[in-house]
Amino acid sequence: ETGVTQTPRHLVMGMTNKKSLKCEQHLGHNAMYWYKQSAKKPLELMFVYNFKEQTENNSVPSRFSPECPNSSHLFLHLHTLQPEDSALYLCASSPVAGELFFGEGSRLTVL
Amino acid sequence: EDQVTQSPEALRLQEGESSSLNCSYTVSGLRGLFWYRQDPGKGPEFLFTLYSAGEEKEKERLKATLTKKESFLHITAPKPEDSATYLCAVQAGAGNNRKLIWGLGTSLAVNP
Repeated sequence: ETGVTQTPRHLVMGMTNKKSLKCEQHLGHNAMYWYKQSAKKPLELMFVYNFKEQTENNSVPSRFSPECPNSSHLFLHLHTLQPEDSALYLCASSPVAGELFFGEGSRLTVL
Repeated sequence: EDQVTQSPEALRLQEGESSSLNCSYTVSGLRGLFWYRQDPGKGPEFLFTLYSAGEEKEKERLKATLTKKESFLHITAPKPEDSATYLCAVQAGAGNNRKLIWGLGTSLAVNP
């Protein structure tokens, strides 16, 4: 496999469920990101990891919990979400700041 | 306030009809400007990086240029497969204050 792979591609969950999004990159990059993409809004940075260490948390609510066990894997754990959290969640890796390689995203719907 | 504005919001072209997309920015301390292409239901795909005014980059029918206030993405003789949303992002600031600011994108449709 090559590039950045995200699973699942689609997820529907209730407000009381717990689920996780997974991201895996095969590019050898040391930086990994979670972004949120909503209609009519610019891409919204959520979390940044460099060499497995979280270097940025962009004031994200605690119902989103990231985990980075190694430089190739990134998870986003979801708990007690709200309907307004419905969006496309994008994972990316980067060799150089600003040059991001995105996965295809996980489309999340919160009922 | 740092800001990135893309225009037009949407553009419809006939196949072969050349045009340009605009990305204007007001940021303190430009570190780089980036163009991405996003197809429906997919993540953005990196296209170009521009670092300084006067710089140009080309890839197939696309050419990106940069001035001190804006960047243009020129599309020469577009084909239907060029239909996508084109996103611009600007990296500003320095050190721990460095951040990537995204525009809303231009949705391009090329009719056969």
